[in-house]
Amino acid sequence: EAQVTQNPRYLITVTGKKLTVTCSQNMNHEYMSWYRQDPGLGLRQIYYSMNVEVTDKGDVPEGYKVSRKEKRNFPLILESPSPNQTSLYFCASSPLAGVREQYFGPGTRLTVT
Amino acid sequence: SQQGEEDPQALSIQEGENATMNCSYKTSINNLQWYRQNSGRGLVHLILIRSNEREKHSGRLRVTLDTSKKSSSLLITASRAADTASYFCAMGRDYNNNDMRFGAGTRLTVKP
Repeated sequence: EAQVTQNPRYLITVTGKKLTVTCSQNMNHEYMSWYRQDPGLGLRQIYYSMNVEVTDKGDVPEGYKVSRKEKRNFPLILESPSPNQTSLYFCASSPLAGVREQYFGPGTRLTVT
Repeated sequence: SQQGEEDPQALSIQEGENATMNCSYKTSINNLQWYRQNSGRGLVHLILIRSNEREKHSGRLRVTLDTSKKSSSLLITASRAADTASYFCAMGRDYNNNDMRFGAGTRLTVKP
């Protein structure tokens, strides 16, 4: 089944404790992206990647890191999480060529205390 | 920053009625897409309209795009309780990448 998976789905952590949220897609998509969703703000893009070893900042990259060492994986790293990073995070992927819809993962709900 | 704004923020209708949601955006786009999100879940793509198209249909969905007014509308006809969800427009800015910007969404409630 074609899908985007994220892990963990739920995470409660404390300020400053490094964490990684994994994202994996099995559709051989070039493009992958991370979003955060907050009430009343919709989805805001954190980082995106157009292919392996190519990443770019989105609208709200501060406090986040990403890497794209393999085509299928695009982990989101919070080196020192803070309470303002409490949010619902979505990973998405799509083919790069032409105009295509994005496929979203199920989301990761992160709480930083 | 967001590129799109949905209107209304929330909409409540009876089953069988039509639901219309609007999206306005600020900069030029290559395409506009509508997504649906059930509470707390991932977004699901509904329909895509390119900047050179004015109207598209998919089942009970009808999308229009007016690039001169920088606006789009999503019409759901004969709504069902199962249509209850949040609906987002997303602006695709460039053909050569799939970078997109999402609006804040319209929360649709369809009462049985």
